Amino acid sequence: EIVLTQSPGTLSLSPGERATLSCRASQTVGSSYLAWYQQKSGQAPRLLIYGASSRATGIPDRFSGSGSGTDFTLTISRLEPEDFAVYYCQQYARSPETFGQGTKVEIK
Amino acid sequence: QLQLQESGPGLVKPSETLSLTCSVSGGSISSRSYYWGLIRQPPGKGLEWIASIYYTGSTYYNPSLKSRVTISVDTSKNQFSLKLTSVTAADTAVYHCARSGYYVRYFDHWGQGTLVTVSS
Repeated sequence: EIVLTQSPGTLSLSPGERATLSCRASQTVGSSYLAWYQQKSGQAPRLLIYGASSRATGIPDRFSGSGSGTDFTLTISRLEPEDFAVYYCQQYARSPETFGQGTKVEIK
Repeated sequence: QLQLQESGPGLVKPSETLSLTCSVSGGSISSRSYYWGLIRQPPGKGLEWIASIYYTGSTYYNPSLKSRVTISVDTSKNQFSLKLTSVTAADTAVYHCARSGYYVRYFDHWGQGTLVTVSS
């Protein structure tokens, strides 16, 4: 199976700062078979990005995704208070679909 | 608006079978465009995809759980269900229902999840 490794484990930032989250795959997932999710405590994950760079419905444009092959990035251009959460990447290039272990974005 | 709702016992004894049902509202489970799946999350840990099913009954499973998992669909009730046999404490998790595309299997709608604890 394809293993996804996210870094850093925790990102401590202030509101208004830029967040850059990394997701590295153990094998290529092609140009676009990668999604990003946001999860707040006690809630279900919410789809942010699919196809590596396409924003899901209703997702603000401060969220952007990039990358291809084995290296992908989620960028939050200016952190809003509601953006402090855990973020997961997921590959769907090859079954079983797998998720990264998550990056927690916390308030500094 | 599409909604998914999990239901099932919150507590299961070790070695028994965990059974969950996912009810879909605001949309048809018989849509040709989607698979319906289950994902779990142990307390404080990450996400693990378990299995997915198409309305025709076509299934695919995570190999790590395949020997213990059965997923089924009831289109008349707009529901799908999971059975996980021989549970242990390692199966304690929040279980989420979710929808994915037929060809592109990211999960665009999720249920809130239900905590299932395996304990005697």
